Amino acid sequence: EAGVVQSPRYKIIEKKQPVAFWCNPISGHNTLYWYLQNLGQGPELLIRYENEEAVDDSQLPKDRFSAERLKGVDSTLKIQPAELGDSAVYLCASSLVPPRGTGELFFGEGSRLTVL
Amino acid sequence: GIQVEQSPPDLILQEGANSTLRCNFSDSVNNLQWFHQNPWGQLINLFYIPSGTKQNGRLSATTVATERYSLLYISSSQTTDSGVYFCAVRTSGTYKYIFGTGTRLKVLA
Repeated sequence: EAGVVQSPRYKIIEKKQPVAFWCNPISGHNTLYWYLQNLGQGPELLIRYENEEAVDDSQLPKDRFSAERLKGVDSTLKIQPAELGDSAVYLCASSLVPPRGTGELFFGEGSRLTVL
Repeated sequence: GIQVEQSPPDLILQEGANSTLRCNFSDSVNNLQWFHQNPWGQLINLFYIPSGTKQNGRLSATTVATERYSLLYISSSQTTDSGVYFCAVRTSGTYKYIFGTGTRLKVLA
């Protein structure tokens, strides 16, 4: 069974440019998460989807960040315009919540963003 | 919100040594997971352990939910065990996971 797939793995852009990250969750997982991880810190939740619905986006900086999860499967996270402080690793995770699953989180390899 | 603290923050071991990593949390939790973040940045699932004890090879974990802590044991450490270990907890009524501060482990050959 394929794991969580993210792309691109690495992205270098200049400030004020747009950038987008894509995530394909584990097949059948109904919950999808985007986490942000700064250097030397633990991941922090940006947004969580249950199927197509964003149920927790309180930590998403909505002035420049946006996300969507079309048809309850793949998801895209966009930043426009990017700032120097956005340099970080963007992690996607998925889970299958009860009653069909345990809610255990599974992560992709991450997308490392460098803003110059 | 719930606070999750891990100790020690940094740990250096000689290959073959044993170690115990601790995760304390400030409120009751429904789920707890341990992850290993490898040098390439990927988070690898180690244990899904809301309570009790589990073992997988040289690794084992124990969660005492009533006392709000979990322990990860690494025996006969290898250089490939190096990286950062995170615990993550989920509280009742939500599927939002909160991560701890991490323990950075370096195993020397």
